[in-house]
Amino acid sequence: EAGVVQSPRYKIIEKKQPVAFWCNPISGHNTLYWYLQNLGQGPELLIRYENEEAVDDSQLPKDRFSAERLKGVDSTLKIQPAELGDSAVYLCASSLVSSPYNEQFFGPGTRLTVL
Amino acid sequence: QQQVKQSPQSLIVQKGGISIINCAYENTAFDYFPWYQQFPGKGPALLIAIRPDVSEKKEGRFTISFNKSAKQFSLHIMDSQPGDSATYFCAVDTGTASKLTFGTGTRLQVTL
Repeated sequence: EAGVVQSPRYKIIEKKQPVAFWCNPISGHNTLYWYLQNLGQGPELLIRYENEEAVDDSQLPKDRFSAERLKGVDSTLKIQPAELGDSAVYLCASSLVSSPYNEQFFGPGTRLTVL
Repeated sequence: QQQVKQSPQSLIVQKGGISIINCAYENTAFDYFPWYQQFPGKGPALLIAIRPDVSEKKEGRFTISFNKSAKQFSLHIMDSQPGDSATYFCAVDTGTASKLTFGTGTRLQVTL
C-alpha cells in the first residue's frame, strides 16, 4: 500500500514569492492534516480536513496561508507571500476516520527554505 | 503554554541498554498518549500508544509507562539497537478535539 505522497520534497524560494505544496493521502483516508515542523521541534497542526471540509483551521495563519482539498482527496497548501520565518518542513498526514485513536500516517514532508 | 513537556532533549545509550524518555502534561482531559518515531528525512511514524485506563503497554522492546496521578508518561526502549537511533516525540490528544499536540522531541543515539 502506498503511503502519503508529498511533493516537492524540497523547495527554495526568495522571500515574498508564493509557494505551494501538494499532498496525496492514503487511498480511502477521509481525514487529512497539514503540519508545520520547525527544526528541532515537534509537528504543529495547521489544518485538518474531513473529506472536503476544513474542520480545524484555527492554527492556520490565514493572512498568508491557504489550503484546499478538492473532491476530498488531494490537498494543496499555499503560502503567499512567503517570509523568512516560514522556512520549515511541511508535513501532510492522513487517517482513516477522524478520531484520535486512529493512527495518523505521515508523508516525508516538504522542506521549505526561504531566502 | 506548552501542552506537553518532553525530556531529555537528547540521549546517548549504548547498544543493549535501556533508553528512557519522559513526558509530562497538565490537561487532565487528554486521554490518548502516542509516541512517534522519526528518522531524518522521513515523517513521524506511530510507534506505540496508550489510553489512561491502563498503566503500562508493551509492544516488543517498546513499553509505555503511564502515571495518571502524576500526569506523566514515559517510553522505555529495552535492548536499544543502533537502528533505534532517531528522534522520538510524545504526543497528547483528547477524544473530542482530535488534535495531536507533540512534545519537542528527544534525539536518541545508540552507540555500538
